Amino acid sequence: QVQLVQSGAEVKRPGASVRVSCKASGYDFTDFGIHWVRQAPGQGLEWMGWINIGKGNTKYSQKFQDRVTFTRDISATTAYLDVRSLRFEDTAVYYCARRILAGLTPWGQGTLVTVSS
Amino acid sequence: DIGLTQTPLSLSVTPGQPASISCKSSESLLNSDGKTHLYWYVQKPGQSPQLLIYQVSRRLSGVSERFSGSGSGTDFTLTISRVEAEDVGVYYCMQGFQETPWTFGQGTKVDI
Repeated sequence: QVQLVQSGAEVKRPGASVRVSCKASGYDFTDFGIHWVRQAPGQGLEWMGWINIGKGNTKYSQKFQDRVTFTRDISATTAYLDVRSLRFEDTAVYYCARRILAGLTPWGQGTLVTVSS
Repeated sequence: DIGLTQTPLSLSVTPGQPASISCKSSESLLNSDGKTHLYWYVQKPGQSPQLLIYQVSRRLSGVSERFSGSGSGTDFTLTISRVEAEDVGVYYCMQGFQETPWTFGQGTKVDI
């Protein structure tokens, strides 16, 4: 079945960087884009942007475009989210989700990134 | 960015009764392809969000017929015809209009 499995929880210091991975299985990885969404503790969903897996082009929310990079490794069927210069307010669960014509489905299980000194 | 405003933010429902959630957009979501890219998701406690409805009113395969979406332009509604205990969660509308940044509503918490 179609599945997205994300990497495990991370704890980082302010100013550090973090990489979150999202491994896809059960479908042709290059046929669909991957979107990234984050959710701060007790808060709603915030769209970060997406990567066209086949072409590699990306689109970022203006809020994140200076500190975030989306990449992918087609041979590993894995998408990556890199966040630089982490701040306390970046503490959140980060989700990847596959984009099909009908929307974002399925979603990964989420990766908690905690920024703490 | 296009803003989405959901009301109410919290909803307590008796099992078997209907429930409705409104989602109002700051701009029309009618795309140049003739489609309106308004989606509904639910995030059940402790889980990742899951897609319920796409293009305003189309149910994803496997989603209960108790869920329906309606609306056009800037005003949209998600209706649960008969709420069941398993429907507890936070419901979000989301827009994916052309090349603009996608945005979510604030979420509506539904409990029994």
